[in-house]
Amino acid sequence: DTTVKQNPRYKLARVGKPVNLICSQTMNHDTMYWYQKKPNQAPKLLLFYYDKILNREADTFEKFQSSRPNNSFCSLYIGSAGLEYSAMYLCASGDGGGNERLFFGHGTKLSVL
Amino acid sequence: GEQVEQLPSILRVQEGSSASINCTYENSASNYFPWYKQEPGENPKLIIDIRSNMERKQTQGLIVLLDKKAKRFSLHITDTQPGDSAMYFCAASSGGLSGKLTFGEGTQVTVIS
Repeated sequence: DTTVKQNPRYKLARVGKPVNLICSQTMNHDTMYWYQKKPNQAPKLLLFYYDKILNREADTFEKFQSSRPNNSFCSLYIGSAGLEYSAMYLCASGDGGGNERLFFGHGTKLSVL
Repeated sequence: GEQVEQLPSILRVQEGSSASINCTYENSASNYFPWYKQEPGENPKLIIDIRSNMERKQTQGLIVLLDKKAKRFSLHITDTQPGDSAMYFCAASSGGLSGKLTFGEGTQVTVIS
């Protein structure tokens, strides 16, 4: 049973086209994260929301956008997909506190052709 | 930032034996070290974590050790079963909104019957 849901599970996109991935959580967590996972690499933090405040990692600042219309939902937006964006995208929510625990969704596997 | 190295990347063990995964970190301010297990097609799930005020923690066939001097922590799976076959990720963080989780590259554990 997972309370962090991601849609879709698989996504095909064309080079140069936009991509929008969706995540929702039902635990009323203040923090939501997006990680990018490529084969044989560690999950890489792209950005996170704390409440309504968006924090983007410096090295991926221009590549990804996000919105959080309410506490439960968070999207990841790619304006113009490139081949290098092909990866698994993992959404997680955090239970707060000084060392918060993350709860992950199943991920969206994005393939850019 | 933080860098986490995880070894080995692949681990095959005989059913009933133990499996050990080792991680090292760089940031001496890191104080929280969780372990996530990801089974095929599933989301990563937190299985055990340890904070810097502890050196050892044990739960349900899992033991984690933390050596702060050496900046090293490890996961030991005792009496491995086929259900332990999965990808395991270690992570480290220094807590708070500025100390987000940094993951290792993962260890693919296969338990052979």
